[in-house]
Amino acid sequence: KNEVEQSPQNLTAQEGEFITINCSYSVGISALHWLQQHPGGGIVSLFMLSSGKKKHGRLIATINIQEKHSSLHITASHPRDSAVYICAVLNTDKLIFGTGTRLQVFP
Amino acid sequence: DTGVSQNPRHKITKRGQNVTFRCDPISEHNRLYWYRQTLGQGPEFLTYFQNEAQLEKSRLLSDRFSAERPKGSFSTLEIQRTEQGDSAMYLCASSFSFGEQYFGPGTRLTVT
Repeated sequence: KNEVEQSPQNLTAQEGEFITINCSYSVGISALHWLQQHPGGGIVSLFMLSSGKKKHGRLIATINIQEKHSSLHITASHPRDSAVYICAVLNTDKLIFGTGTRLQVFP
Repeated sequence: DTGVSQNPRHKITKRGQNVTFRCDPISEHNRLYWYRQTLGQGPEFLTYFQNEAQLEKSRLLSDRFSAERPKGSFSTLEIQRTEQGDSAMYLCASSFSFGEQYFGPGTRLTVT
């Protein structure tokens, strides 16, 4: 079993839909990252959080430390949100990554 | 500040050749990380530096792999006697202490 599990693996949506991506982890962590990766490989950090909730524009990230679970929400999704979203946890100085969720948003 | 840069962006090499990649972190960042990502998978940790000291190496990093950060600024990752299984995207990231990691664009290696 992977130490960081994401669901779903693939997600398609119509423009405007509310999207949720889930991440569960089984190791102790000091922080959790949500990352976005576009075709071609570049990775952009969306959030780093260790408790509660953070919001940036249409993106919201939450974490429940007791349940070892985090969610990434995208409100009013847009085709430019199409990308791979990766959850990564910071464990003893290094990141452990999930396999990613491939999101496609259609007009 | 131009962010984390990596060179080359793409490298095609024949099996058995040596390759070297370079990462230039954000200038005030003291930590530098190397990750490897194969197709359809999330990145995997390879090694990291705090300043010039290499603090941890993954079991994934066989003795054909070596990484350096000689002056605590840029870093190089060398793969000797490349194998087809080494084909992957090699990602570099930097951070200030335990802060947010900023990723470079990656170097895509293809071993033929």
